[in-house]
Parts: sequence; C-alpha cells; structure tokens
Amino acid sequence: ILNVEQSPQSLHVQEGDSTNFTCSFPSSNFYALHWYRWETAKSPEALFVMTLNGDEKKKGRISATLNTKEGYSYLYIKGSQPEDSATYLCASPYSLSWNDMRFGAGTRLTVKP
Amino acid sequence: SQTIHQWPATLVQPVGSPLSLECTVEGTSNPNLYWYRQAAGRGLQLLFYSVGIGQISSEVPQNLSASRPQDRQFILSSKKLLLSDSGFYLCAWAGTPGHEQYFGPGTRLTVT
Repeated sequence: ILNVEQSPQSLHVQEGDSTNFTCSFPSSNFYALHWYRWETAKSPEALFVMTLNGDEKKKGRISATLNTKEGYSYLYIKGSQPEDSATYLCASPYSLSWNDMRFGAGTRLTVKP
Repeated sequence: SQTIHQWPATLVQPVGSPLSLECTVEGTSNPNLYWYRQAAGRGLQLLFYSVGIGQISSEVPQNLSASRPQDRQFILSSKKLLLSDSGFYLCAWAGTPGHEQYFGPGTRLTVT
C-alpha cells in the first residue's frame, strides 16, 4: 500500500516570507501527484496535478515540482500572505485505476500578518 | 458550471443507529465519485469510489457501504454506527480518473 508522507506537519511564517514543504511517496508504481489547499470551513481545492518527472507547475505565487525517480514533490509559496493560511494536502493514486487516492496528512501553514 | 452538494451538513447519531449521507453532482454526466473520511487528527482516507451507476469499489473494510442509484447521486450508509465512525465525510467528483477532484462541503458526523 502506498504511503504518502508530508513534512513538516505545521509551519508558521511571517507575511512576506517564502516557504516550501515536501510530499514524499514511493517512487515505484507512480501514476500522478495531486496538491490540494484546504482552508478552514471550506472544501479542499485542487492546486496542481502532475504526472511527469521534472514537471513544474505554477499558479500565481504558488509553484510545485515533481521528482518521480526519488519520490518527492515540493510546494513553494513566494511572499506568503495571510490568505495562504491553510492545510496543504498531497495525494497519489496507487494503481492504474487512478481512482484509489492516498492522501498525506497535510502541512498546516499559518501566515502571521 | 458543475456543483456538488452534500447533506446533511452536521449530524449527531447514537451508537447503533443507521446512517445515510447523500451527495449529488450537477452540471456533468458520468462523473467518477468518491467518499472520504477525515477522523480527528488524521488525514483524508478514501472509503469508496464509483466509476458508474451500481459500480462501487471499497477501499477500507468497515461497517459502511456505498451505493450509486443514479448517475450523479452517491450515498454512504451504515446499518449500525460505531463510535469510530465519527468524523468529517467528504464527497468528491472527477471528470476523469487521475484528474483533479472537486469536493463537496462535507458532513460532520458525531456518534455518541
């Protein structure tokens, strides 16, 4: 069974700081890697879906990279703002069905004004 | 545009009582549907997914079941709730397996 791990568990930064966190997954049987943002009192919202080794995706101040050979993905936030405060989840399917998603426990980001 | 609904938003049920949570999707056809649970202090756990009417795949053995009686309706049920069934239940849909998933507002279930 695929284990998706995220670190750190929580992170506190000041407004304007740049930050990054990690998602690791077994490099064998890789199919895709998803990143979601989950704000308090809202539903998880998709940020990125990546499938190819070396993929880099960007949405505004948030970007992500993927290394399938070593089994990790980084999420970067440039110039953090209080509205970036949320739990960031990564997930990966563990079979060719692509439906059996395994989520990490998340990184809880708090951005202080 | 597509929307996903879940109800009820919150639910308090005694141990041993039945459960029925409903999820419906609008604005799309033949979606892939998912039920997740987040127990206290834990991450999201996939419970069931469905690729079509009547087609249910179970990910975790438990006293829960799922059904898909219509294309855009997904129901999570239990005949007898356990204390360990407490948690936050999320329904999600995706147009294609492996593509981004869209989550509903969730149901907070407390089993007493």
